[in-house]
Amino acid sequence: KQEVTQIPAALSVPEGENLVLNCSFTDSAIYNLQWFRQDPGKGLTSLLLIQSSQREQTSGRLNASLDKSSGRSTLYIAASQPGDSATYLCAVRPGRGSTLGRLYFGRGTQLTVWP
Amino acid sequence: NAGVTQTPKFRVLKTGQSMTLLCAQDMNHEYMYWYRQDPGMGLRLIHYSVGEGTTAKGEVPDGYNVSRLKKQNFLLGLESAAPSQTSVYFCASSQRELYNEQFFGPGTRLTVL
Repeated sequence: KQEVTQIPAALSVPEGENLVLNCSFTDSAIYNLQWFRQDPGKGLTSLLLIQSSQREQTSGRLNASLDKSSGRSTLYIAASQPGDSATYLCAVRPGRGSTLGRLYFGRGTQLTVWP
Repeated sequence: NAGVTQTPKFRVLKTGQSMTLLCAQDMNHEYMYWYRQDPGMGLRLIHYSVGEGTTAKGEVPDGYNVSRLKKQNFLLGLESAAPSQTSVYFCASSQRELYNEQFFGPGTRLTVL
């Protein structure tokens, strides 16, 4: 069974810092990996989707990398802002198995950016 | 284009009561999913559907039933609610091709007393 781990569980930084969130997964046979943002009491907003054949994806101040062979992904946030405060979830889509298309989620990193 | 919507947003039930959660998507997606999110547990798959008229069990299906009578709707039913089903329920959908991203609804916060 695929297991996804996110480190750290919580992170508190001052505004303006560049930061890295880590995600690791146990089975490297994946179709893709998706990073989500979740605000308190809200749903999941997709940030970036990286296919298994890709090494990285960028959107604005966000950059996600994928090293499939080592089972790792990082989400890099540049010049953090208080509005970035949220929980960030990593999820992988397995490349094999019977549950078509499902995602396996990590428990998230709770980010607080203070002014 | 509303994406994925869920009804209701909040609900409080007493133990033993029943209810149905409705998920609707307007993106013509083939695949639909129900997840639950519990503190410290991450999101776990309850049931899923790969097309109209089909359903299958995920990793935590006990106590739930589902139906997909129309392609755009995926219903999650609790026949006899238990306190252990207190959770936030998320519906998601995606296109058939597995390289596509999954889109999530806003969630339903359910409390069972």
